[in-house]
Amino acid sequence: QVRLVESGGGVVQPGGSLRISCAASGFSFSGYGMYWVRQAPGKGLEWVAHIRFDGSKQYYADSVKGRFTISRDNSKNTLYLQMDSLRAEDTALYYCAKDPFYHGDYLYYMDVWGKGTTVTVSS
Amino acid sequence: DIVMTQSPDSLAVSLGERATINCKSSQSILYVSSNKNYLAWYQQKPGQPPELLIYWASTRESGVPDRFSGSGSGTNFTLTISSLQAEDVAVYYCQQYYDIPLTFGGGTKVEIK
Repeated sequence: QVRLVESGGGVVQPGGSLRISCAASGFSFSGYGMYWVRQAPGKGLEWVAHIRFDGSKQYYADSVKGRFTISRDNSKNTLYLQMDSLRAEDTALYYCAKDPFYHGDYLYYMDVWGKGTTVTVSS
Repeated sequence: DIVMTQSPDSLAVSLGERATINCKSSQSILYVSSNKNYLAWYQQKPGQPPELLIYWASTRESGVPDRFSGSGSGTNFTLTISSLQAEDVAVYYCQQYYDIPLTFGGGTKVEIK
């Protein structure tokens, strides 16, 4: 079945960096756009970034633009989020999620979600 | 940015009764050429990731019980649970995908009365 498993979360100091990953299985990863969505403790959902199925285009929320980089390795069925210049307000559970359309040409909704990995920014 | 406003913030409904959640967008999310509303609904149970319930405002995701239905167009949308079950206790979110950035409503917590 379709499965997304995030990893790499942890505690990092303000101004630090962290890279989180999402291993995909059960579907043709290279054919689908992917998302990162985060949820601060006790709060709602916030879209963070999207990458096109072939990696040719990325989109970011203003809150992370210039600090976070989404990327993918289709040969390893893995999605990444490189997070630099981290701030306390980046503390959240980070979910990766899948686009519903094969070779989709835009951003849509998220039809499958992972369980998330926790990132804590604290000194 | 398109702001999504959900109401109420929480509601308590008796088992077997109807639950209605509203979602309002700050601008129309109806794409006229396709006549599709770019709205999705998710359910998030405690300690779990969100799950897709509804997309295109009214299309139920495969496997979602038919007691869940979505309606509305333009800027006003509704998620209805026709007969609340114990397993429906969750927070429900709407999300627009008409424009970037993708935005979510603040969530509605549904509890049993």
